[in-house]
Amino acid sequence: AQKVTQAQTEISVVEKEDVTLDCVYETRDTTYYLFWYKQPPSGELVFLIRRNSFDEQNEISGRYSWNFQKSTSSFNFTITASQVVDSAVYFCALSEASKDSSYKLIFGSGTRLLVRP
Amino acid sequence: DTGVSQNPRHKITKRGQNVTFRCDPISEHNRLYWYRQTLGQGPEFLTYFQNEAQLEKSRLLSDRFSAERPKGSFSTLEIQRTEQGDSAMYLCASSLRGSRWKYFGPGTRLTVT
Repeated sequence: AQKVTQAQTEISVVEKEDVTLDCVYETRDTTYYLFWYKQPPSGELVFLIRRNSFDEQNEISGRYSWNFQKSTSSFNFTITASQVVDSAVYFCALSEASKDSSYKLIFGSGTRLLVRP
Repeated sequence: DTGVSQNPRHKITKRGQNVTFRCDPISEHNRLYWYRQTLGQGPEFLTYFQNEAQLEKSRLLSDRFSAERPKGSFSTLEIQRTEQGDSAMYLCASSLRGSRWKYFGPGTRLTVT
């Protein structure tokens, strides 16, 4: 079965601190995709990144970076120099990739990040 | 606006009433997904369509739920005899077949009183 675990329910940091959001996944597929989404108070899911199972190269985009490690089935997300606008709920998600797949997303329960000024 | 749209954005209804939500996907997208998100949880898959065909339904989709996509464009999700446990955000997403890029709509927040 596929499963995504985000053990951190809520994290509170002071502005300019670095923060890492953890994501651990389970899947039997050898080919899969991992995602991070941001959900601000407005409710809309904002896509942040997609990573396929064959690409373990870490990625940096501005203040955001992602660390994908197949050996530990983890896909962690780090925000450097956090800002108040980063306050939101962040979801990690997994997508199967088999033939004729629905490509539905399996989401974790989310981590609520509060960045205090 | 060429994104995914959902209407209404908010719906308050009394227990036992029927409600219907609408999702308009990005025009060239042939796949459409419905997810439900309860408070404090991540979105959960309900069902998806490829064109007008409903190809998969989650066991979360009880007999009181029905979804349609009659012409392969917009979709409706109906809940009959609503219960308080149906209170949630209902999210719609669309994509092209074979693509893992999904575009989410703003959601419809349902409150059952």
